Amino acid sequence: QQPVQSPQAVILREGEDAVINCSSSKALYSVHWYRQKHGEAPVFLMILLKGGEQKGHEKISASFNEKKQQSSLYLTASQLSYSGTYFCGTETARDDKIIFGKGTRLHILP
Amino acid sequence: DGGITQSPKYLFRKEGQNVTLSCEQNLNHDAMYWYRQDPGQGLRLIYYSQIVNDFQKGDIAEGYSVSREKKESFPLTVTSAQKNPTAFYLCASSWYDTQYFGPGTRLTVL
Repeated sequence: QQPVQSPQAVILREGEDAVINCSSSKALYSVHWYRQKHGEAPVFLMILLKGGEQKGHEKISASFNEKKQQSSLYLTASQLSYSGTYFCGTETARDDKIIFGKGTRLHILP
Repeated sequence: DGGITQSPKYLFRKEGQNVTLSCEQNLNHDAMYWYRQDPGQGLRLIYYSQIVNDFQKGDIAEGYSVSREKKESFPLTVTSAQKNPTAFYLCASSWYDTQYFGPGTRLTVL
């Protein structure tokens, strides 16, 4: 079942923070986060595994609440390059197929 | 350079014609995937293959077919039975829990 992402779209000014949420109705093994620029392929950001720690990548980090089957992506002091659509993907077991959410469009204004 | 190639980038076909989209990878990954992307729908899984000569249907396999005769190649055929084939098609391969995407093929059926 497709995970639900919120919000659907966000508009920020450069330097502001953003949080993107991803929730599932099923118990999860992992949550994946990708960013896609318009007309390009999605690019892997990070993966969070069941029992793992919060991950970070420059000013982009994420958490995974296994009990609530939720993950959040945090973008701190956003830059123009952060604009794009962010997708979360979920796995219910290792080596299972990844089911992606519908995406969150993020637009950063100068 | 290692990576995933998809060709062509843009493809136009007349309604009723079958068309095959190419996907090649030199990453030595076992698993490969095909996704379809429509505006506002996220990435929807068409077919996936975890090993040569074996593949499974994803969530929207109707009207599509695949083959996996070689580890490096996973072509997707969009048949005339697919009712709404115009979309952006993404191929991916995975290493452990991370998926890597090709640049995509935008198919337009006239």
